[in-house]
Amino acid sequence: QITLKESGPTLVKPTQTLTLTCTFSGFSLSTNDVGVAWIRQSPGKALEWLAVIYWDDDKHYSPSLKTRLTISKDISKNQVVLTMTDMYPEDTATYFCAHHMYSSGLFDFWGQGTLVTVSS
Amino acid sequence: DIQMTQSPSSLSASLGDRVTITCRASQTIRSYLNWYQQKPGKAPKLLIYAASSLQSGVPSRFSGSGSGTDFTLTISSLQPEDFATYYCQQGYTTPYSLGQTTPYTFGQGTKLEIK
Repeated sequence: QITLKESGPTLVKPTQTLTLTCTFSGFSLSTNDVGVAWIRQSPGKALEWLAVIYWDDDKHYSPSLKTRLTISKDISKNQVVLTMTDMYPEDTATYFCAHHMYSSGLFDFWGQGTLVTVSS
Repeated sequence: DIQMTQSPSSLSASLGDRVTITCRASQTIRSYLNWYQQKPGKAPKLLIYAASSLQSGVPSRFSGSGSGTDFTLTISSLQPEDFATYYCQQGYTTPYSLGQTTPYTFGQGTKLEIK
């Protein structure tokens, strides 16, 4: 059974750095074709893909946010960490992590999401 | 980026109705099209992958079709639990293509409401 859960601060101030952790179980991020992605959803808005890290440690980012994002993994802890620098109020969103299959581009298991509010 | 356009943006329907939602890609994505259902306050749930394959555990009243640029999600007979927002997502633009990252993109969503 695959599960993922996001954790991190619920409130950050403008210009601060956000660090989110995705803790997962039921799969290995060392398995071929597997990745873990971060996707966010601003209130009342559509889904926006942010970043993905793959089994071979390759990492890719949304071009529009690339300069602000870093994704990393800790296989021993079954965790993926996303950092986003220079947070703005418009970054207020629910942030999801999801199990991803590279070959089909799908996101088949999702965490419950964590709401991050950017406000002074 | 590949743009995904869903129509309609919202839809009112009755229990038992047959409903179709369309998704158009700005360029060909072959069959790399996935559909998700999202209920308020919940994470999206994968319904259909590769345009027409039903994800395990998803009721057979859901079906998908299409290839290239035009895709549809059909619900054959609406049930109370089907009222939700539906998103398409293209999985064709892999981060490895041409050495550049082009994003996985989602449609803007279709909100299905009870008439």
